Amino acid sequence: DSGVTQTPKHLITATGQRVTLRCSPRSGDLSVYWYQQSLDQGLQFLIQYYNGEERAKGNILERFSAQQFPDLHSELNLSSLELGDSALYFCASSVRGAYEQYFGPGTRLTVT
Amino acid sequence: EDQVTQSPEALRLQEGESSSLNCSYTVSGLRGLFWYRQDPGKGPEFLFTLYSAGEEKEKERLKATLTKKESFLHITAPKPEDSATYLCAVQGDSNYQLIWGAGTKLIIKP
Repeated sequence: DSGVTQTPKHLITATGQRVTLRCSPRSGDLSVYWYQQSLDQGLQFLIQYYNGEERAKGNILERFSAQQFPDLHSELNLSSLELGDSALYFCASSVRGAYEQYFGPGTRLTVT
Repeated sequence: EDQVTQSPEALRLQEGESSSLNCSYTVSGLRGLFWYRQDPGKGPEFLFTLYSAGEEKEKERLKATLTKKESFLHITAPKPEDSATYLCAVQGDSNYQLIWGAGTKLIIKP
């Protein structure tokens, strides 16, 4: 158990809908990262927050957005969902940006 | 441009047959090289961080080593439970995020 929690574990929704994924980092970690992993694909970095502020952006679509709240939990919002958005979404946290990241168990999103 | 290449893509071994996985990297100013293990449908599990050439770290049957251009993950006398995808990532001076390799899928047959 890494100490990073993600909810929900599974999510099934229809095309065009909007969903919110939630992540709570390990106690004491200020950085949160979001990743997407499609079936049999590598990890695609989406976005990083550090202590409430956006720190880095990767290949995140305009339909996706995220935020980190004062209590350091983070939410990833996915809107106008398409079939191709079906994937595992992982959250990771670290003490600071230069340290190893610890991953949560992921949210499996299925868009039908 | 920072880049990580892992080889081979897949490796099948018999139980007890030792081998090595490779992670080649190009990065401006290495801050750290990270090894993770990922089981199907699960989040990557942190294994090691290496910071400078010549550094080695061990955990059970795994040993990670680092040179200026590559890292190796040596697996000694593996067991079927070592079957997983092993991921390598680097962090350099120019990026806050990790640059990930595509992984090596390791299958250990009993």
